[in-house]
Amino acid sequence: NAGVMQNPRHLVRRRGQEARLRCSPMKGHSHVYWYRQLPEEGLKFMVYLQKENIIDESGMPKERFSAEFPKEGPSILRIQQVVRGDSAAYFCASSTDRGKSGNTIYFGEGSWLTVV
Amino acid sequence: GENVEQHPSTLSVQEGDSAVIKCTYSDSASNYFPWYKQELGKGPQLIIDIRSNVGEKKDQRIAVTLNKTAKHFSLHITETQPEDSAVYFCAASTPGGYQKVTFGTGTKLQVIP
Repeated sequence: NAGVMQNPRHLVRRRGQEARLRCSPMKGHSHVYWYRQLPEEGLKFMVYLQKENIIDESGMPKERFSAEFPKEGPSILRIQQVVRGDSAAYFCASSTDRGKSGNTIYFGEGSWLTVV
Repeated sequence: GENVEQHPSTLSVQEGDSAVIKCTYSDSASNYFPWYKQELGKGPQLIIDIRSNVGEKKDQRIAVTLNKTAKHFSLHITETQPEDSAVYFCAASTPGGYQKVTFGTGTKLQVIP
């Protein structure tokens, strides 16, 4: 858990602004996942990325949300024109090896987005 | 896709008693089942996991059982302590082109001193 680094931990944005959340995976991990957690709810899958590739974005809202994992640097989850309903905790997780089921996913401490 | 159901949603036990959380999954191809503990304001932490070729696994006060035929798995915490109070999530992982993990809805465990 301590190895996945997310920042910022807390972010406050006004409606209509943009939010950028960053995630550095654990050392040696090349697979990144983003999950959203609404208050008092479970973890909802958003997107899975490998370096420079989006593999599965089936959980990502079609509009305003985007994610990337560039060759250099952290993965970024970007939310444009935020609305109050975007207020949530966003968790990044990472794992090793593609295609090997059973590789553990490790989570970061989360980024708490509040839209005012 | 995979669907994971988790029960109960809340659970209160007296300190020292046991706690059991149950999950069912829908995809018979799922073969890896991790459990996470989430404390308030923190990220989920892996506490134990089990693979489909094993029926039971223990780690000190925590054990997990898996029944592949019935497609359900359970978390057992014995001799509960106040620090066990947290939200627990079960998950199921389906093999394929990449590892996709589906989470249960969580169980809020309260251990009463």
